[in-house]
Amino acid sequence: QVQLVQSGAEVKKPGSSVKVSCRASKDTFINYAISWLRQAPGQGLEWMGGIIPIFGTTNYAQKFQGRATITADESTTTAYMELSSLKSEDTAVYYCAREADPAIAVAGTYYFDWWGQGTLVTVST
Amino acid sequence: EIVLTQSPATLSLSPGERATLSCGASQSVSRNYLAWYQQKPGLPPRVLIYDASNRATGIPDRFSGSGSGTDFILTISRLEPEDFAVYYCHQYGGSPSFGQGTKLEIK
Repeated sequence: QVQLVQSGAEVKKPGSSVKVSCRASKDTFINYAISWLRQAPGQGLEWMGGIIPIFGTTNYAQKFQGRATITADESTTTAYMELSSLKSEDTAVYYCAREADPAIAVAGTYYFDWWGQGTLVTVST
Repeated sequence: EIVLTQSPATLSLSPGERATLSCGASQSVSRNYLAWYQQKPGLPPRVLIYDASNRATGIPDRFSGSGSGTDFILTISRLEPEDFAVYYCHQYGGSPSFGQGTKLEIK
C-alpha cells in the first residue's frame, strides 16, 4: 500500500529554518521520485523541487534554488525538505507527493498520483 | 516557465449539469503532459486526468480531459454533489507549474 506520512505542524520565526519529513512506503522510496509542493492559504499549488530517493539526485524550481534542500534517508525511507531564511510569505501547507512514473530520471517531470496529508508551516513573530 | 491560466475562476452549476473547465498555456505543453486535480477543503489534491486525456485509476467516467498544445479542457458530464470542489491543471512538460484553480460551486 502506498503511504506518504508527513510530520506535524510547525510554527517558526522569520529568518529561521524548518525541516519537514515525509515517511514513504518502501516500494515508493525505492522506485519513485518524490516531490515537494506548497499551498499558501487560499492559494494555488507551487512545485518546489524533488528527489529520486534511491539515488539522492535532486531537481529544484529556480525560485527555491539555494533556499530549499531536499534529502532522503534510505534507512528510514523518509524524504525531507528544509527551507531556510523563512519569511511570512512562506506560511503554507507543504505537501510531499509521489510522481507516477517509476522510470523517470529527473524529479518534477511527471504527474503526482499520491500525496502526503500536508504539513502546515506558520512563519510569524 | 509555462504559465497556466484557468477559466472561469468560479463556475456555478447544479447537480446533473455539465461542467466545462478550461486551462490555457503560455506556450505549447510538451507531449501534452497536462494533468487535472480535484481538491476539497483540508485535503491534498487528487489526480483525475493525466497526459491530457487519460483518466487516473478509480476516477469515474463522467470526468474526461481533452486538448493539446496550449488549450486543454476538463469536462464533467453530469455533476454529482461530491464533484463541487476546486480544480487545478498542472503541466509537467517543462519545469512544473499549476493553474490558479477553478472553484466549482453549487448554484
